[in-house]
Amino acid sequence: GAVVSQHPSWVICKSGTSVKIECRSLDFQATTMFWYRQFPKQSLMLMATSNEGSKATYEQGVEKDKFLINHASLTLSTLTVTSAHPEDSSFYICSAFASGRGETQYFGPGTRLLVL
Amino acid sequence: GQNIDQPTEMTATEGAIVQINCTYQTSGFNGLFWYQQHAGEAPTFLSYNVLDGLEEKGRFSSFLSRSKGYSYLLLKELQMKDSASYLCAVKVNTGFQKLVFGTGTRLLVSP
Repeated sequence: GAVVSQHPSWVICKSGTSVKIECRSLDFQATTMFWYRQFPKQSLMLMATSNEGSKATYEQGVEKDKFLINHASLTLSTLTVTSAHPEDSSFYICSAFASGRGETQYFGPGTRLLVL
Repeated sequence: GQNIDQPTEMTATEGAIVQINCTYQTSGFNGLFWYQQHAGEAPTFLSYNVLDGLEEKGRFSSFLSRSKGYSYLLLKELQMKDSASYLCAVKVNTGFQKLVFGTGTRLLVSP
């Protein structure tokens, strides 16, 4: 299978600060990456689709100015949670389709964010 | 809109067989996936169906009926380690391909 990494794996920050999460495809190129958020005991909710070299496509209800996405290269997408608040505490997971390696999406290990 | 439904929780005993159902109503359909997710971890791929019928892979099998908008995941010879959440996801194309996830089913396997 293909490998997707995320950094950091967990982060604790103060309310009002910004947090950047990196998602990397380690052994394949990904023109499109996906960012999900998962609250405890709930399923994955797609936040946005990150497109290399262009603007991200956000799902309905997701604030684009609060969740900044940058996909500057074919192997890296970043999600920045700006002015984080306690309600932003969640498990953030990225994923990508690996062309030529089947139909499935490959998921990163996730980043657990706790905003105090 | 996209709507994917699964039972919230299921319980079963070790060694038994359990079937987790998934019904979907989506705008477009390019395949259905099942993922397993242990608490605090990312989902891992279990199966993929794009044509009607049964796909078998070891202890796990997945069935799809596109006309009925229905799929199930069948787990045989349950083991304690199978206690996890099972996520049904449909690949749709809304200008680009993406996965829409169901609500997830938490399975608890007891001795």
